[in-house]
Amino acid sequence: DVKVTQSSRYLVKRTGEKVFLECVQDMDHENMFWYRQDPGLGLRLIYFSYDVKMKEKGDIPEGYSVSREKKERFSLILESASTNQTSMYLCASSLGRQGAGEKLFFGSGTQLSVL
Amino acid sequence: GDSVTQMEGPVTLSEEAFLTINCTYTATGYPSLFWYVQYPGEGLQLLLKATKADDKGSNKGFEATYRKETTSFHLEKGSVQVSDSAVYFCALIQGAQKLVFGQGTRLTINP
Repeated sequence: DVKVTQSSRYLVKRTGEKVFLECVQDMDHENMFWYRQDPGLGLRLIYFSYDVKMKEKGDIPEGYSVSREKKERFSLILESASTNQTSMYLCASSLGRQGAGEKLFFGSGTQLSVL
Repeated sequence: GDSVTQMEGPVTLSEEAFLTINCTYTATGYPSLFWYVQYPGEGLQLLLKATKADDKGSNKGFEATYRKETTSFHLEKGSVQVSDSAVYFCALIQGAQKLVFGQGTRLTINP
């Protein structure tokens, strides 16, 4: 079965710190995604990538950047963390482009608190 | 743009009760529809899907029918169990675009 692994389950950072969230998938998937999950707002797409060294903005990219140097690894970067970035961050991957019926595989999430 | 609206939670039921979680969508074309489930402490996983009108997705006793005339994809289960306690997300995708999720509905089943 596909495994999507996020490096930390819980993370506490201070305002202004640079934060790296790491995600690794083990099934040679082309596509990787970063979402944030907030109560009452569901999942919102931050960035996604369809290939190595390729990235595209999602719905809420402000304050974030990403890196995909290797196919299996997709990193989310908070250049200068702020309190409004306190959230649950979910990484996901899928085999092909998101078309009809394409299934996403999710990691367990990283709960980030910015103090 | 495309959007998904789910019924407000949280929803609390007793074991063996009938479950309905409402989901309606707005889309210009003919999206595919999904229900994802998130168990405590875990990531989301696909529960069921339907790719065209009148399709019925089913899995683990859950069902949802793609109703184009009412733009709905309501999730149902005839007899819920404590192990069904989770957060449920309705989602859609159209063409090669990205998934659009609803806000999620937290379900708690009491023994």
